[in-house]
Amino acid sequence: DSGVTQTPKHLITATGQRVTLRCSPRSGDLSVYWYQQSLDQGLQFLIQYYNGEERAKGNILERFSAQQFPDLHSELNLSSLELGDSALYFCASSVAAGSSGNTIYFGEGSWLTVV
Amino acid sequence: SQQGEEDPQALSIQEGENATMNCSYKTSINNLQWYRQNSGRGLVHLILIRSNEREKHSGRLRVTLDTSKKSSSLLITASRAADTASYFCATDVKGLSFGNEKLTFGTGTRLTIIP
Repeated sequence: DSGVTQTPKHLITATGQRVTLRCSPRSGDLSVYWYQQSLDQGLQFLIQYYNGEERAKGNILERFSAQQFPDLHSELNLSSLELGDSALYFCASSVAAGSSGNTIYFGEGSWLTVV
Repeated sequence: SQQGEEDPQALSIQEGENATMNCSYKTSINNLQWYRQNSGRGLVHLILIRSNEREKHSGRLRVTLDTSKKSSSLLITASRAADTASYFCATDVKGLSFGNEKLTFGTGTRLTIIP
C-alpha cells in the first residue's frame, strides 16, 4: 500500500459526459502528479501540483483540468469524453516539489471506460 | 513522446534465471529510476540511480547507468514467479529549473517468469 488513495477504482461512462477522479496523497506529501496509461500511448504525464499550485504540465488535453485543494487532495476533471479517453489514470505523490531524485508513490489507479 | 525506450518489449525466462532489461533515453538526465507494475496495478518504485553513479544494488536488483551511451540496465537475479510484471525506467531531464522536472516513463518491458 503506497498510501496514495484514488477513487473511484472503476468508472464506465458515455461519450460526451464529464467525470471527476479524486486523489488523496500520502500523508505529508505536497506534490501530486497525474498520469494517463493507455495501451497505445503508454504512461503519459498529465500535470503536477505542488502545495495547491500548478507546477508542471505535460500532455494534458484542454478538455481535462485538475486542481489541488488546501487539504492537498487533488481532482482530475475529464469532460466531453471520447472513446479514446478510456485509460487507467494514476495519481502519484511526493514530498518535494520536483521529481528529480525523489521517489514518487503511485496510487492503484482509476479505470475509466468510455462507451 | 517517450523519453525512455525499454528493450526488450517482452521477456520470458525460467524461474531461477537472471533477467536483464535495458533502457535507452534521449536527453541528459539528473537521475534514472526503475519502477515495477503488476498487471492493472499502480507502479512501485524499485531503485534510483543518479547521473554520477555507474552501478547500484538493492537485494536481487542491480542497475547500471552509462550516461555516455544514454542507457541503463536492470538485472534481476535468481528470478521468482512473483517477479512477473512490467518494468519501466523513468528519467527526469537535466537542465529544467528545480521543482519543474517531470518524470518521464519509458514504454516498459513485460517480464514473465515461468515456474
